Amino acid sequence: NAGVTQTPKFRILKIGQSMTLQCTQDMNHNYMYWYRQDPGMGLKLIYYSVGAGITDKGEVPNGYNVSRSTTEDFPLRLELAAPSQTSVYFCASSYSGPASTDTQYFGPGTRLTVL
Amino acid sequence: DQQVKQNSPSLSVQEGRISILNCDYTNSMFDYFLWYKKYPAEGPTFLISISSIKDKNEDGRFTVFLNKSAKHLSLHIVPSQPGDSAVYFCAAISRVTSYGKLTFGQGTILTVHP
Repeated sequence: NAGVTQTPKFRILKIGQSMTLQCTQDMNHNYMYWYRQDPGMGLKLIYYSVGAGITDKGEVPNGYNVSRSTTEDFPLRLELAAPSQTSVYFCASSYSGPASTDTQYFGPGTRLTVL
Repeated sequence: DQQVKQNSPSLSVQEGRISILNCDYTNSMFDYFLWYKKYPAEGPTFLISISSIKDKNEDGRFTVFLNKSAKHLSLHIVPSQPGDSAVYFCAAISRVTSYGKLTFGQGTILTVHP
């Protein structure tokens, strides 16, 4: 099992460009999450999904979009990149959500710089 | 509003000694707490957790203590090893209301010196 994989590992964008961060999990988890981690800060939830076709906003959703067409994939779209979106992005998945003690499994992260 | 706080950005410990990492929270709805460990250029990995119905959970060298009245939890690592050097994140969740959404602290960088 590869677990949670993310591509690319690194990316530099110019202001106003757009890109999609890819996330795939092979554990048949129904819950998936996108976090961002800024220097010296904890992880903040951007969007999450409780299953294919169902997504919802987290704590910091502005400037991002997501879709979940399959159980395995949960891409994060950045439209009109801004310097404030410079961060490390982590995708995570877990088997179940509410009232669950299941832990979240994280991908290795994508380091994004917007110049 | 930082609902989960780790007030010590870093901690340095000698190999073999105890490491104590602290975490405070403000949301009384949190009922499950987790510690994650993160190495550079990797994603966080789950370390240990505790439910609010307990005050202690132990797993090998790692023990988490929960003081609900003080809204405080701590992670004890005994004995500390150089391989424990990493960033440690405290996280909390309200399993009734939050649908799997973890709230993370800022992290504490632990350095264990040989």
